Amino acid sequence: EAQVTQNPRYLITVTGKKLTVTCSQNMNHEYMSWYRQDPGLGLRQIYYSMNVEVTDKGDVPEGYKVSRKEKRNFPLILESPSPNQTSLYFCASSLKTGYINTEAFFGQGTRLTVV
Amino acid sequence: GENVEQHPSTLSVQEGDSAVIKCTYSDSASNYFPWYKQELGKRPQLIIDIRSNVGEKKDQRIAVTLNKTAKHFSLHITETQPEDSAVYFCAGTGNQFYFGTGTSLTVIP
Repeated sequence: EAQVTQNPRYLITVTGKKLTVTCSQNMNHEYMSWYRQDPGLGLRQIYYSMNVEVTDKGDVPEGYKVSRKEKRNFPLILESPSPNQTSLYFCASSLKTGYINTEAFFGQGTRLTVV
Repeated sequence: GENVEQHPSTLSVQEGDSAVIKCTYSDSASNYFPWYKQELGKRPQLIIDIRSNVGEKKDQRIAVTLNKTAKHFSLHITETQPEDSAVYFCAGTGNQFYFGTGTSLTVIP
C-alpha cells in the first residue's frame, strides 16, 4: 500500500530535549516536505526536499533541521524544542520534478507538545 | 515565492445547499491546483485537482474552476451533506506547494 508514515503520532517532551520525528514514504517520490498546522494559520511549510541531499527552507524553518540521506526518509529534528513549537506536524511527499506537480500524500500527523 | 489566499475562513450551509470556497494565487508559474479535505483528527487528503491548461473539472458533487488571467480558482460543492463538514485547503504550486489557510465548512442537517 502506498503511504507516508510518520512516527511518533503523539509526543510530549520538555524544553531543550532534542527529538526527531521520522517520515518515510514507499512511493519513490522525489519531493518531501514538512508542515506545521496551527489553528487559523493553515499548513505552514518548515522545510522541503527536492531529492536526496537537496533540502531548502520553507516559511517557518527556525528551530528545525532536516536531512535527506535516502530518498524514502526525511526526518525532522528539533535540536532544542521550545513551547512555541507545540503543534501538529505533517510530512508529505509527491512525485514532483521541477515545475511538474502531482498529488501530495500526507502522513498521519504528529501531535507534539513541548512543556 | 507564491502567495495563496483562501476565503472564507469559515462557512456554514444548510444541508442540500451549495458551498463555494475561493483561492487566489500570485505566481503565474503555478500550474497545478489541488484541493484537500481534512476531517477532524485526520490527515489532509486530495479531493480534486486541476491543471493550468484546463478551466473546469468536475467529479460528482465537487467541481473546481480556474481563471488563469485573474489568478483565482474555486471549489464548488453541490447538494452538501453532513459528511462534507471538514476543513478544506487549496494549494498553488510552482517549485513547491503553497497552501491556503483553510476553510472550515459546517453543513447543518
